[in-house]
Amino acid sequence: DVKVTQSSRYLVKRTGEKVFLECVQDMDHENMFWYRQDPGLGLRLIYFSYDVKMKEKGDIPEGYSVSREKKERFSLILESASTNQTSMYLCASRRGQGITEAFFGQGTRLTVV
Amino acid sequence: QQQVKQSPQSLIVQKGGISIINCAYENTAFDYFPWYQQFPGKGPALLIAIRPDVSEKKEGRFTISFNKSAKQFSLHIMDSQPGDSATYFCAASSQKVTFGTGTKLQVIP
Repeated sequence: DVKVTQSSRYLVKRTGEKVFLECVQDMDHENMFWYRQDPGLGLRLIYFSYDVKMKEKGDIPEGYSVSREKKERFSLILESASTNQTSMYLCASRRGQGITEAFFGQGTRLTVV
Repeated sequence: QQQVKQSPQSLIVQKGGISIINCAYENTAFDYFPWYQQFPGKGPALLIAIRPDVSEKKEGRFTISFNKSAKQFSLHIMDSQPGDSATYFCAASSQKVTFGTGTKLQVIP
């Protein structure tokens, strides 16, 4: 079974802190994604990566950055956490592009206070 | 700009009934249209998917209908069961995967 593992299920951080969300996949997938999920807004793409050290902005990249130093790991960084970044964050991976299934992690519920 | 529009936002269906969720897209570069199912506390998981050269795909009680000219696709759940109660997301894929806003389905006994 494909496994996408997010390092934390729940996180509470203070405004202004630098926050790291980690995601690891075990199926040698090329593509990895970070989404945030908010009620009524669905899943919105923050950043994605189609190869090591490659990254592309998604629909809502402001306030976020990413790092992909190894193929299996994709990190989301909140440079200076704000309360409007309180959300559920979901990592996903898939093999290649187009007609392939994306596999999701369990999600990280981040609360910024 | 919402590239994939999904409706309704919520849906209540009697057990045994048909649940229908609709989606519309704008970008003709999309080449794969999956539906994901999400239970509380879990990440979304692939339910069923269709390519744009096919008008219908059926897997058990789940059917996708696809209208390429109208840029619309829909999910039909036949004989809906309480265990189908979940949030459903349509999506459209090319270089990236773009999701709709989700439909929370409740199937009541």
